[in-house]
Amino acid sequence: AQSVTQLDSHVSVSEGTPVLLRCNYSSSYSPSLFWYVQHPNKGLQLLLKYTSAATLVKGINGFEAEFKKSETSFHLTKPSAHMSDAAEYFCVVSAFNQAGTALIFGKGTTLSVSS
Amino acid sequence: GAVVSQHPSWVICKSGTSVKIECRSLDFQATTMFWYRQFPKQSLMLMATSNEGSKATYEQGVEKDKFLINHASLTLSTLTVTSAHPEDSSFYICSARAPVNTEAFFGQGTRLTVV
Repeated sequence: AQSVTQLDSHVSVSEGTPVLLRCNYSSSYSPSLFWYVQHPNKGLQLLLKYTSAATLVKGINGFEAEFKKSETSFHLTKPSAHMSDAAEYFCVVSAFNQAGTALIFGKGTTLSVSS
Repeated sequence: GAVVSQHPSWVICKSGTSVKIECRSLDFQATTMFWYRQFPKQSLMLMATSNEGSKATYEQGVEKDKFLINHASLTLSTLTVTSAHPEDSSFYICSARAPVNTEAFFGQGTRLTVV
């Protein structure tokens, strides 16, 4: 079965410093992986996705993630955090279920950014 | 990007009544729609997957008689919470996916409070 594990439930950084949000995946086949961001009481916004093309994926707002098959990881990074980056981040894998495919969410990582 | 509209964004209802939540894909045909539930400070839990014109497939532990899902057209899916109770209070989020596309687009979510 496909699953994702977000290794940190909470990450705190200072504005202007790098961001690293860690995600490991488990999949019996080549997965499609995503990172979504959710601001308080809001819906979800897609940051980036990996679908077996380039292993380094660039997303919106300066975020990027690298698919590493040998490490089964898909960590999200940003060189310099901004206050507006404070939100909940979800690592997501596309998985097969009885009805086809569905997105399975990790437990989420809360990113706090201090000035 | 594609737009998914979810309505209402919040609703308060009395215990024992039913509530219907709508999910519409505004600029694409969504052959598959998903319904998620999110408890405070927790991840999204997939409730069910619905393919247009067929019965929804519910995840284990989700009561199909309580959470009625209808996907009658390529642009509309509805979730009806029947005989709602306070424990059904939650944030419900729908997502929609076009054919042969791994990316799903999310609605803004519906905050349901049952009093």
